[in-house]
Amino acid sequence: GAVVSQHPSWVICKSGTSVKIECRSLDFQATTMFWYRQFPKQSLMLMATSNEGSKATYEQGVEKDKFLINHASLTLSTLTVTSAHPEDSSFYICSARLNNEQFFGPGTRLTVL
Amino acid sequence: QQQVKQSPQSLIVQKGGISIINCAYENTAFDYFPWYQQFPGKGPALLIAIRPDVSEKKEGRFTISFNKSAKQFSLHIMDSQPGDSATYFCAASSMNRDDKIIFGKGTRLHILP
Repeated sequence: GAVVSQHPSWVICKSGTSVKIECRSLDFQATTMFWYRQFPKQSLMLMATSNEGSKATYEQGVEKDKFLINHASLTLSTLTVTSAHPEDSSFYICSARLNNEQFFGPGTRLTVL
Repeated sequence: QQQVKQSPQSLIVQKGGISIINCAYENTAFDYFPWYQQFPGKGPALLIAIRPDVSEKKEGRFTISFNKSAKQFSLHIMDSQPGDSATYFCAASSMNRDDKIIFGKGTRLHILP
């Protein structure tokens, strides 16, 4: 139980395009999901907290207009990287909260050319 | 006060040995201390977690030791195996406040065959 999936697992895009990443809780409902960014050999950096049916809460320094988050249902949250640039290349990981524990997705590797 | 300090940054252990990773925190409101294991290119997976009402928790070869007065906790991996080679993150959160998880910087563990 408590499985979280992400799609796609990797994506390559051209600079200036937008990329959408999906995070799904497969066997449970999650009112709260989290989006993280991880650079090589570094820890997870929380980008935003996504609450079903309401606006996401962004961490300081994270541009909400660049990283659009939509939590439209209890099993799906999406992160859209708008007008992507090479510096947005990173490993993006989501997690979903269940009973005060967080379960992580497998991550999405984004490469912006 | 929100930081979780983790050491060492990297660790090399002989197969069959004991791997020990240490973490320290400042915020006394923290009451949930999970450890995550992450393999390259994958999302973190919850390994074991402890709450401050106990001083030790053991699951198979993995043991968390918790010292509330010193605000420190550690992960011990007994009989370490090459398959344990991964990055380990300690973390802390305040479950009563339904708060976000604060991660340590991670320890890259390598078990020599």
